[in-house]
Amino acid sequence: QQQVKQSPQSLIVQKGGISIINCAYENTAFDYFPWYQQFPGKGPALLIAIRPDVSEKKEGRFTISFNKSAKQFSLHIMDSQPGDSATYFCAAIRGSGNQFYFGTGTSLTVIP
Amino acid sequence: DSGVTQTPKHLITATGQRVTLRCSPRSGDLSVYWYQQSLDQGLQFLIQYYNGEERAKGNILERFSAQQFPDLHSELNLSSLELGDSALYFCASSAGLRSVGELFFGEGSRLTVL
Repeated sequence: QQQVKQSPQSLIVQKGGISIINCAYENTAFDYFPWYQQFPGKGPALLIAIRPDVSEKKEGRFTISFNKSAKQFSLHIMDSQPGDSATYFCAAIRGSGNQFYFGTGTSLTVIP
Repeated sequence: DSGVTQTPKHLITATGQRVTLRCSPRSGDLSVYWYQQSLDQGLQFLIQYYNGEERAKGNILERFSAQQFPDLHSELNLSSLELGDSALYFCASSAGLRSVGELFFGEGSRLTVL
């Protein structure tokens, strides 16, 4: 059973456009929601993360929007660049912190 | 560079065989995690070790086992390999037992079972 559902599976965006990736979860015990970015041939690396006590977190062109009541969170990439082309994974962690539950990933392609 | 080292990077073997994947965590990190990445399943958590002890278990098959040694490196053993075991296996490390913060991933070991 997939603890975190991620969509879309793939996304193609024009340079300068906004990329939006969505995730949903069921377990209300999750209390930390990171996004990881993975380039081909590399391991995932932490991009940005949010706790459920805030509705939005912004770091540069990357923003997480969090809707606790809907149990959904999303990653917005503003002014998308070809260098943003990668696979993005959302994740959720319980308070114990032992297990990261990852989404299935979104392959983002930004075309010039 | 995450500081996590995995070997080998690529491995091709036959069904029924056994392989060992090795991971050296970041200097000072006590927790090691193993993940399996396949195209349709994303990142699946297999197992976590903390300072030599198993601390959490995910969707790890009985044919798979792992251990963490006193020098904190870890090995993932995959036996009686099947075609479906072909995947990218990642090791990640974190500083403490509870990894709320950041996981540092290695570059993975790509296993192909023929």
